[in-house]
Amino acid sequence: EIVMTQSPATLSVSPGERATLSCRASQIVSDTLAWYQQKPGQAPRLLIFGASTRATGIPARFSGSGSGTEFTLTISSLQSEDSAVYYCQHYSNWPYTFGQGTKLEIK
Amino acid sequence: QVQLQESGPGLLKPSETLSLTCTVSGGSISNYYWSWIRQPPGKGLEWIGYIYRSGSTNYNPYLKSRVTISLDTSSNQLSLRLTSVTAADTAVYYCARSKLLFSPDNPFDIWGQGTMVTVSA
Repeated sequence: EIVMTQSPATLSVSPGERATLSCRASQIVSDTLAWYQQKPGQAPRLLIFGASTRATGIPARFSGSGSGTEFTLTISSLQSEDSAVYYCQHYSNWPYTFGQGTKLEIK
Repeated sequence: QVQLQESGPGLLKPSETLSLTCTVSGGSISNYYWSWIRQPPGKGLEWIGYIYRSGSTNYNPYLKSRVTISLDTSSNQLSLRLTSVTAADTAVYYCARSKLLFSPDNPFDIWGQGTMVTVSA
């Protein structure tokens, strides 16, 4: 099983600033990496797939990068509605696994 | 627009069997892979397993001995069965679709709203 490790666990950033979230895979997953956003009481929403491709309807302030084992989700110009927990997930092969999440707080 | 809706009992006793259904509306269940994913309260996401229209399945090794996922293409539904539940199985259970046709190794692009299942004596 591939273990996904996210950092930091919690991130507090002011509106308008940039947030950088990290995800590391215990094995090479190439670019089979997705990011999800989850708000309280809601299902996760797909933000990024293929490590860097935005899903349909996702604002351009969300961007993903990385390949292999190291990945980054960047949210530029933070807005209040970006407050959520963000998960990375590999889909290289089953079992698919998720990181433990990064809670993003807007100051 | 494809939508997923989970349903099933919200409360079980230890040792009972969890049975959930996910109804797919707005599109066909064929040609896609469908997964069950769960999330214990306040914790992260755990993939349970997937199924394809052919009946092909794969399960999380940690749950494999207790899990069965099935598909009913005539009613556009998938089901989850988890036997011998304990308090550790208390979670929100989601069904989700793999994004691209014919392949399981894809991100999950459509999710149900989730259904909470509590295991308690």
